[in-house]
Amino acid sequence: SAVISQKPSRDICQRGTSLTIQCQVDSQVTMMFWYRQQPGQSLTLIATANQGSEATYESGFVIDKFPISRPNLTFSTLTVSNMSPEDSSIYLCSVGISGRYEQYFGPGTRLTVT
Amino acid sequence: GQQLNQSPQSMFIQEGEDVSMNCTSSSIFNTWLWYKQDPGEGPVLLIALYKAGELTSNGRLTAQFGITRKDSFLNISASIPSDVGIYFCAGSNAGNMLTFGGGTRLMVKP
Repeated sequence: SAVISQKPSRDICQRGTSLTIQCQVDSQVTMMFWYRQQPGQSLTLIATANQGSEATYESGFVIDKFPISRPNLTFSTLTVSNMSPEDSSIYLCSVGISGRYEQYFGPGTRLTVT
Repeated sequence: GQQLNQSPQSMFIQEGEDVSMNCTSSSIFNTWLWYKQDPGEGPVLLIALYKAGELTSNGRLTAQFGITRKDSFLNISASIPSDVGIYFCAGSNAGNMLTFGGGTRLMVKP
């Protein structure tokens, strides 16, 4: 497995602003993912963060709203842009290890938009 | 997107009871995973299953990969208070991509 940290752990933001969430892994990993977990719900994949190229977004998520960077094999950021109260969720990053099917998750960032 | 059918959605347990939950899908998966999420934390991998029919244990947890590749169950024996949380099943076929169930919330009977 890998040790994954996220910053910030939580934040309260105003409508219309943007927040950038950081994900740091203690070892180089092939795959990094970003998920959203709305209150009381399961996990929904936002995008796969690709090192050196644009992220691959799932249906219903767009780059303008959720820009993602992945400058190297241990770090990624997710920005939640022009926030509204509907963006209040837990945002989770996860990593996948080459040759294996499982993912390992960070502790999450709890975002509240007022 | 697609989601696995996980049941029950929630259940109350008394300390010492055995607990069972399951996950079904309309499509087959090559790998089934079970995660637990505590409040304020990310999901933690409990058990990974790689072969149809496989039965795997991790302490008091036992999980099985259904023979049809379309289902899996998780059993917890002799439950303790720290078993409380949300349990998610997930299926995977390739490229580390996961499809999640809706979760089973385990709570303690008052």
